[in-house]
Amino acid sequence: EIVLTQSPGTLSLSPGERATLSCRASQSVRSSYLAWYQHKRGQAPRLLIYGASSRATGIPDRFSGSGSGTDFNFTISRVEPEDFAVYYCQQYDNSRMFTFGQGTKLEVK
Amino acid sequence: QLQLQESGPGLVKPSQTLSLTCTVSGGSISSGNYYWSWIRQHPGKGLEWIGYIYYNGNTYYNPSLKSRVTISIDKSKSQFSLNLSSVTAADTAVYSCARTGHSYFDSWGQGTLVTVTS
Repeated sequence: EIVLTQSPGTLSLSPGERATLSCRASQSVRSSYLAWYQHKRGQAPRLLIYGASSRATGIPDRFSGSGSGTDFNFTISRVEPEDFAVYYCQQYDNSRMFTFGQGTKLEVK
Repeated sequence: QLQLQESGPGLVKPSQTLSLTCTVSGGSISSGNYYWSWIRQHPGKGLEWIGYIYYNGNTYYNPSLKSRVTISIDKSKSQFSLNLSSVTAADTAVYSCARTGHSYFDSWGQGTLVTVTS
């Protein structure tokens, strides 16, 4: 099973600042099989990025993803008030297993 | 717009079977382009994929839960269901259903909390 480790656990920023989140895999992940989600309390998780760098339908361009192999990043170019939430990375591997990172909480500084 | 809604008991006794249903609206559960998954999140912990089902009934489960999980589909009702047997307190979690694309989950239900308690 591929283990995903996200850092930092909590990121404290002010609106307008740049957010960079990291997701490191225990084994190489095919780029097309890496996704990022936003989760707000009481709401359904929302797909933001799939294929490591492709934005899902309707996702603003301030959200972006990059990386390959075992190191992936997720960036919010300028954090908006509605962006404060928990962010998860997720991978799918050749054994047909889906696994998630433990999450990064983006909070107001 | 696709919507998924989980339903089922919020309390289950230890050793019993947890049963949940996901109702899909705004889209076809019979689409061959998607799988339909169950995912759970233990309190204060990360997300764990439980398994998925295809419209033709083919299933695949997380090996760690495989011996206790059954996922089924009722296309006539646009629903798919989760049964998790022999539950313990460790199965207390928020259970969510999700539409599964090639390698990611593109639509989720809000989730429902199931507590295992005597």
